[in-house]
Amino acid sequence: AQSVTQLGSHVSVSEGALVLLRCNYSSSVPPYLFWYVQYPNQGLQLLLKYTSAATLVKGINGFEAEFKKSETSFHLTKPSAHMSDAAEYFCAVSGTGFQKLVFGTGTRLLVSP
Amino acid sequence: GAGVSQSPSNKVTEKGKDVELRCDPISGHTALYWYRQSLGQGLEFLIYFQGNSAPDKSGLPSDRFSAERTGGSVSTLTIQRTQQEDSAVYLCASSSASGGAQETQYFGPGTRLLVL
Repeated sequence: AQSVTQLGSHVSVSEGALVLLRCNYSSSVPPYLFWYVQYPNQGLQLLLKYTSAATLVKGINGFEAEFKKSETSFHLTKPSAHMSDAAEYFCAVSGTGFQKLVFGTGTRLLVSP
Repeated sequence: GAGVSQSPSNKVTEKGKDVELRCDPISGHTALYWYRQSLGQGLEFLIYFQGNSAPDKSGLPSDRFSAERTGGSVSTLTIQRTQQEDSAVYLCASSSASGGAQETQYFGPGTRLLVL
């Protein structure tokens, strides 16, 4: 079975501050891990994904995430938040023989000036 | 290039009526997925089509829900005898399945369904 836990339904940061969104996973097979972003009234857009190559993954818009097997984590970070980063962020897991994505409950990022 | 498109973007229906939601995947993508996003349940998988294989229907919440994919391209999700708890955003995604589960799923904008 696979599952994802995202700690914190809401995270608030100031513009220019570090963004850290947490994701822990559980998987019975080697996982593939994804971060998606959703802007209001839009679909999901891929930020980055881990597919068993490099453990530090760089994505779009300055985001990156590090796969840590020992901690079963895949936290999303960005050094300096922009107002345009305000959105909802979803972590998801899939795996070989397990094609569908299992999503976390999402974290809404609020960025204040 | 064109992304995943869905229609209608919004649908309001009365309890007990049937609805059909349409998804046009990215051209050439052989895998197609339906997900549902609701306040109470978050994002949940409904059904997965891969080429000519039998679909994975393991996420369909009841037998009122069905989906088909014609010609390996367009898909229709049908909800019969709609209930208020069916109100949600229905998202479609497609992927090039050559890489399997590690392939990126590209999502459409969704259909927002409201059952009165």
